[in-house]
Amino acid sequence: LAKTTQPISMDSYEGQEVNITCSHNNIATNDYITWYQQFPSQGPRFIIQGYKTKVTNEVASLFIPADRKSSTLSLPRVSLSDTAVYYCLVGAPYGNNRLAFGKGNQVVVIP
Amino acid sequence: DVKVTQSSRYLVKRTGEKVFLECVQDMDHENMFWYRQDPGLGLRLIYFSYDVKMKEKGDIPEGYSVSREKKERFSLILESASTNQTSMYLCASSLQGNQPQHFGDGTRLSIL
Repeated sequence: LAKTTQPISMDSYEGQEVNITCSHNNIATNDYITWYQQFPSQGPRFIIQGYKTKVTNEVASLFIPADRKSSTLSLPRVSLSDTAVYYCLVGAPYGNNRLAFGKGNQVVVIP
Repeated sequence: DVKVTQSSRYLVKRTGEKVFLECVQDMDHENMFWYRQDPGLGLRLIYFSYDVKMKEKGDIPEGYSVSREKKERFSLILESASTNQTSMYLCASSLQGNQPQHFGDGTRLSIL
């Protein structure tokens, strides 16, 4: 399995920028880095995907250093509704380097 | 928008019953997945399918089987339900390759 390491939990105040890190030391050449968000009693929702450098969409930015052994998801100006579990995944959908969700990072936004 | 629909949000069954969980996606995706999610354990892959009638075991296939007779539908089968299969079950699909997965809202299954 393609393994990632994330902090278990973190708190942030409303309106701040939140940066969530993920380590993936064994990332393979063809692997993309994908982040998901999950609210209670719902399935995970795709946030952003990248291969290298920086990717930005309407909800987040993803920063990937040159060695690709880590990545940082950046959420600008979080609100209470951003309280969720965030998962970082690398790897292929199937095969020996199959991606694994792991336990994710619980982010709690405080008023 | 991709829609992944799971047949039930909540389901209660008895030990020893044969249980079917159904999942349908409407975007002609190649890949489909079944996960279970338990507190403190994250999402664990049970089975996945990369084409009609093609399937491969995930990390925890014991006690489960799957069926994919049509591209849009992927069924998870508990041959003889047991209490340790009480869990949240999530279905997902993806177009192909490294494309992101799209999830249904899950089925919370209780085995009594």
